Amino acid sequence: DAGVIQSPRHEVTEMGQEVTLRCKPISGHNSLFWYRQTMMRGLELLIYFNNNVPIDDSGMPEDRFSAKMPNASFSTLKIQPSEPRDSAVYFCASSLSNTGELFFGEGSRLTVL
Amino acid sequence: AQSVTQLGSHVSVSEGALVLLRCNYSSSVPPYLFWYVQYPNQGLQLLLKYTTGATLVKGINGFEAEFKKSETSFHLTKPSAHMSDAAEYFCAVSEWGGSTLGRLYFGRGTQLTVWP
Repeated sequence: DAGVIQSPRHEVTEMGQEVTLRCKPISGHNSLFWYRQTMMRGLELLIYFNNNVPIDDSGMPEDRFSAKMPNASFSTLKIQPSEPRDSAVYFCASSLSNTGELFFGEGSRLTVL
Repeated sequence: AQSVTQLGSHVSVSEGALVLLRCNYSSSVPPYLFWYVQYPNQGLQLLLKYTTGATLVKGINGFEAEFKKSETSFHLTKPSAHMSDAAEYFCAVSEWGGSTLGRLYFGRGTQLTVWP
């Protein structure tokens, strides 16, 4: 079975550039989550969607971050402009129903120089 | 509001020894509780979960956890550690229903090292 698919797996970019991370959730799942993981702050929930609608974006660091979910099978997380402090591993996760059992992708490791 | 505290950011055990990873939570409603494991350069994988019913839950790879409401704890144990258990372990709590439907609150994680 296909799990949550994220791309790219690794991204190295320069400060000021736009970064777009992509996620394909598991088919049939109706909730999608974007997390950021760093050594300093651990796992942080950035935003989550339920039935393609953003439910809670209070974790989005600032206006440079935006996320969309145009349909049930695709989501993007965009950072514009990127900064070195955005360097982290970004995880997408999806779930079926609202029990909290999440299925994670393998993550996108972002390095901003 | 929900929160999770994992006591000990690093735990080291010898191969064959008991593994005990501690987790305490706070929740305003009956919680759903989870343990996830993360191997290097991978995403998190579900190890086990408690929703309702039996308070001792068994997961993959010989791990189990017991929900103790009176202690607001959900500690993870394994009788005999294996080298392949070396990973980072995350405890998480979810509330069923309410405005944060389905959201997971994660602890900071515990890095488990297994010595030969």
